[in-house]
Amino acid sequence: AQSVTQPDIHITVSEGASLELRCNYSYGATPYLFWYVQSPGQGLQLLLKYFSGDTLVQGIKGFEAEFKRSQSSFNLRKPSVHWSDAAEYFCAVVRDTGTASKLTFGTGTRLQVTL
Amino acid sequence: GAVVSQHPSRVICKSGTSVKIECRSLDFQATTMFWYRQFPKKSLMLMATSNEGSKATYEQGVEKDKFLINHASLTLSTLTVTSAHPEDSSFYICSARSRGFGYTFGSGTRLTVV
Repeated sequence: AQSVTQPDIHITVSEGASLELRCNYSYGATPYLFWYVQSPGQGLQLLLKYFSGDTLVQGIKGFEAEFKRSQSSFNLRKPSVHWSDAAEYFCAVVRDTGTASKLTFGTGTRLQVTL
Repeated sequence: GAVVSQHPSRVICKSGTSVKIECRSLDFQATTMFWYRQFPKKSLMLMATSNEGSKATYEQGVEKDKFLINHASLTLSTLTVTSAHPEDSSFYICSARSRGFGYTFGSGTRLTVV
């Protein structure tokens, strides 16, 4: 079954430093992959998604992600983190690409930003 | 862009009562809506999938009689937690899928059962 793994539960970076959040997927074919961000007590906001084409995907808020089939990875990156980026980040994959398609989430990575 | 409105954002109810949570797609028709439950500092657990005009499909382990889902129109789905108990206290989030694979999430509902 399709699934995603986020190896890092908690990451702390200094403001202005670069960021990379890891996501590994398990899926035979080309997966549909997403990154979402969640602030405390809030819903989820889509940062970016990958379906096909260019493996480097640009998202909102200066985030990007690179799909690497050879490594089964879809890591999220940002060159310079801002204090407002502190939040929970979820990687997700579409499960069942038919009419019943649904998102399966990783366990999330909590990002803390120090000033 | 696509917007999903979820109400209420917070609700406190007494044990044994029922609570209804609404999820509306404001500017698009949602072919499918999803209901998730999220425990503190945990990921989202899919509870059920609802399609307009048909019965919801529940994930394994989710009590369909406890969590009633109605998807009466292409813009509205409701989740009713029946005979709520303290263990039902959680953060519930809905998501609406538009054409293709566009998933938009509501802002969530914090349910506290006392």
